[in-house]
Amino acid sequence: NAGVTQTPKFRILKIGQSMTLQCTQDMNHNYMYWYRQDPGMGLKLIYYSVGAGITDKGEVPNGYNVSRSTTEDFPLRLELAAPSQTSVYFCASSYPSGGVGTGELFFGEGSRLTVL
Amino acid sequence: LAKTTQPISMDSYEGQEVNITCSHNNIATNDYITWYQQFPSQGPRFIIQGYKTKVTNEVASLFIPADRKSSTLSLPRVSLSDTAVYYCLVYYGQNFVFGPGTRLSVLP
Repeated sequence: NAGVTQTPKFRILKIGQSMTLQCTQDMNHNYMYWYRQDPGMGLKLIYYSVGAGITDKGEVPNGYNVSRSTTEDFPLRLELAAPSQTSVYFCASSYPSGGVGTGELFFGEGSRLTVL
Repeated sequence: LAKTTQPISMDSYEGQEVNITCSHNNIATNDYITWYQQFPSQGPRFIIQGYKTKVTNEVASLFIPADRKSSTLSLPRVSLSDTAVYYCLVYYGQNFVFGPGTRLSVLP
């Protein structure tokens, strides 16, 4: 199993450009998440999904959009990139075997985005 | 508003036991507490998860008092490779909230 795979690993954007961060998992997990981590800071939840066709906002959703058309994929779309979106983005998945809030989060290696 | 707090940093020496405490005052009855370890340029890695009292696995123990307003991650006999940032994670409602992280430095 590859686990959680994110692409690209690095990207530089100009202000106002748009892009999509890709995330795919091969563990058949129904829960998927997008976090951002600013330099020297903790992780903040952007969006999450509890299954195909279902998404919901996290703590910092402004400036982002997501979709979940399949169990495996959970892309994150940045529209009109701004310098404040310079960060490392982590995708994660989980299978809450003991109910919502349980289970281990499996993280990808991260996508480092710089907006200039 | 859900809030989780941790000490910013801790220093320890090789072979010592390290205890890192996380405060989560408004945790709900059914919320679990999870701890993660993160090395530079990597995603967080699961260490341990618990709901109440004490949980132990091959790498750590997790102590949760009866009021569940805090939890303590215990790392026995740390080594240099345990130098990392440690995060507690609490599931508040439908939102996973990471603590700010504790930077642990293990010295020889």
